[in-house]
Amino acid sequence: QQQVKQSPQSLIVQKGGISIINCAYENTAFDYFPWYQQFPGKGPALLIAIRPDVSEKKEGRFTISFNKSAKQFSLHIMDSQPGDSATYFCAASRSGGYNKLIFGAGTRLAVHP
Amino acid sequence: ETGVTQTPRHLVMGMTNKKSLKCEQHLGHNAMYWYKQSAKKPLELMFVYNFKEQTENNSVPSRFSPECPNSSHLFLHLHTLQPEDSALYLCASSQDTSGSYNEQFFGPGTRLTVL
Repeated sequence: QQQVKQSPQSLIVQKGGISIINCAYENTAFDYFPWYQQFPGKGPALLIAIRPDVSEKKEGRFTISFNKSAKQFSLHIMDSQPGDSATYFCAASRSGGYNKLIFGAGTRLAVHP
Repeated sequence: ETGVTQTPRHLVMGMTNKKSLKCEQHLGHNAMYWYKQSAKKPLELMFVYNFKEQTENNSVPSRFSPECPNSSHLFLHLHTLQPEDSALYLCASSQDTSGSYNEQFFGPGTRLTVL
């Protein structure tokens, strides 16, 4: 019940295309869903996050869609660029959980020119 | 730069060695974390410290021993490791561990290889 399942494991997108990464969770106590971006040789960095009281959050080309009833959330990268090539992790945590993040397994995104 | 530094960046050690990983944060945070990142596996939380007190030990084997002398520094002491412990060890910090919305800032990690 603590797991966060992420798919796909890897993704190849052409420049200008839309990248979509999906995550699903079981624990209904989770109330914070961040996405982290990791480049080779670097640690993960927070990209965008959402709380379950909204169904969508957009920051620039990055959008999180959240479906509370289905216990699913997804990251959409519009107009994907080669510089977006990185590994993306979804995560979840809950209030009172000591800020403990449960991560998905990651998606390696390659955006081809 | 995220404000979280880790040394060394790479470490190769034998199974009988003793070594330590160091993490330092320059963000004025009060919580620090150790994570293990293995290939094709989710990041695994190992330890959490809040105001220098350990609040989480995620069933980590005793061959990993954390130390948090103050809110800015975190160590991971390693001894008698196994080859399967080879991984990227990431340190992170956050303001504290209250609520669920404290952003965690990650260091670049230490790539550990156990021979």
